[in-house]
Amino acid sequence: RKEVEQDPGPFNVPEGATVAFNCTYSNSASQSFFWYRQDCRKEPKLLMSVYSSGNEDGRFTAQLNRASQYISLLIRDSKLSDSATYLCVVNTGRRALTFGSGTRLQVQP
Amino acid sequence: DAGVTQSPTHLIKTRGQQVTLRCSPKSGHDTVSWYQQALGQGPQFIFQYYEEEERQRGNFPDRFSGHQFPNYSSELNVNALLLGDSALYLCASSLFREGYLSYEQYFGPGTRLTVT
Repeated sequence: RKEVEQDPGPFNVPEGATVAFNCTYSNSASQSFFWYRQDCRKEPKLLMSVYSSGNEDGRFTAQLNRASQYISLLIRDSKLSDSATYLCVVNTGRRALTFGSGTRLQVQP
Repeated sequence: DAGVTQSPTHLIKTRGQQVTLRCSPKSGHDTVSWYQQALGQGPQFIFQYYEEEERQRGNFPDRFSGHQFPNYSSELNVNALLLGDSALYLCASSLFREGYLSYEQYFGPGTRLTVT
C-alpha cells in the first residue's frame, strides 16, 4: 500500500465549478500535511499547509481528519489557471516529505 | 530575494556515465533536500543535507551521493547511470529549526536528466 494515496483523475470541470480532491495516508504518526501544486514540467509549489482545525486561503479550503487519516482540498469558483496537478504531501516528523502521485485538474472554458 | 536555483536545466547522459547536479538554496535557508520525480509520479525523497552532513536518506542505492558546502549549496552525484535514472531531479530548501520536526520546503525548477 502506498504511504499517500490520491485519485489520479483527471478531473475535468467547467470554469466556476467547485471541485474536491481527497487523499489518504497510511502512517498514523504523520505530523504535518501540505498541498502542493505542480504545473506541467515545472517544480511543485506549496499551495497551503493543512491544519487540524481546517484552513482557508481565498478559494481554497483544506481539511484534515486525523482519525480517518484523510486530507481534502476544495477549490471553489474554478479558474482556467487552476489547471494543474495537485500533490498531497505528508511529513511523519522526520525530514522527508512523502508525496502522493497527484491528482490532475483540467478546468475548461 | 533569490529562490532555489538548480543547474543544469537539462542533461543527456549515456548508461554507465556519472553526473553531478547542483543546487543553491533560497536565501536564508540552510537545509537542502533532493528528490527524484519519474514521469507521472510524485517526487521521491533521495536525501537531505544540513550542516554539511547527510541527515536522512530515502530508499536509493549508494550510487546516489551528495555534498553540502559551507555556503549551503549542494550537489547530487549519480554514478553508473541506468536508464531508470531518467527523471526530473528536484532540489528543495528549508530552514532548520531546533525541536521543530517539520517545515515547509521550497523547490527549485529541477534538472531533467535523460539517460540513453
